[in-house]
Amino acid sequence: EPEVTQTPSHQVTQMGQEVILRCVPISNHLYFYWYRQILGQKVEFLVSFYNNEISEKSEIFDDQFSVERPDGSNFTLKIRSTKLEDSAMYFCASREPTRYEQYFGPGTRLTVT
Amino acid sequence: AQTVTQSQPEMSVQEAETVTLSCTYDTSESDYYLFWYKQPPSRQMILVIRQEAYKQQNATENRFSVNFQKAAKSFSLKISDSQLGDAAMYFCAYIGGETSGSRLTFGEGTQLTVNP
Repeated sequence: EPEVTQTPSHQVTQMGQEVILRCVPISNHLYFYWYRQILGQKVEFLVSFYNNEISEKSEIFDDQFSVERPDGSNFTLKIRSTKLEDSAMYFCASREPTRYEQYFGPGTRLTVT
Repeated sequence: AQTVTQSQPEMSVQEAETVTLSCTYDTSESDYYLFWYKQPPSRQMILVIRQEAYKQQNATENRFSVNFQKAAKSFSLKISDSQLGDAAMYFCAYIGGETSGSRLTFGEGTQLTVNP
């Protein structure tokens, strides 16, 4: 069964460093998403992406964040200058054009020290 | 803005018994979709079941079923014949129709413990 994959599974970085989180969505899906979950809290929407552009973003998704689909399979989230409060689990998700359920990857645990 | 509320932070059930997890939501939209996701200790988010608001019939997936009360804006999950592998955090989630974007809005989650 096709699934969303994410790399790395765990990333440790120092405050102020740039990180890139990578995702490979399910191949026939056209809508892509990033969510984050701070430990012990609920899952929060960051950004949605369709047709090579951002379709919606939350107030969390400020200028420090950017997304890109550099080729036909990868979808990336970049955090330019990480802060301690960026420590969280980051989930990538994707969905088909005609259905609303989103399928999640296993997540990348980001730790900022 | 849409909100999703899960009023039970923790629930427990005996193996083989039935448990119901509650979820309420607030929306002014008529077209929307509701989901339950399971998050085991691995923290993977696994889709359990979906419900379209336009369907009156409650969704069922094997031992999982929902009680969707549209007028009351309630969407509870029933797990029958609970198994040890059902132990996880369960999140209720809402997504609006085409006019409101496609972000999922999640509730706070309910931690389910299954006792042997």
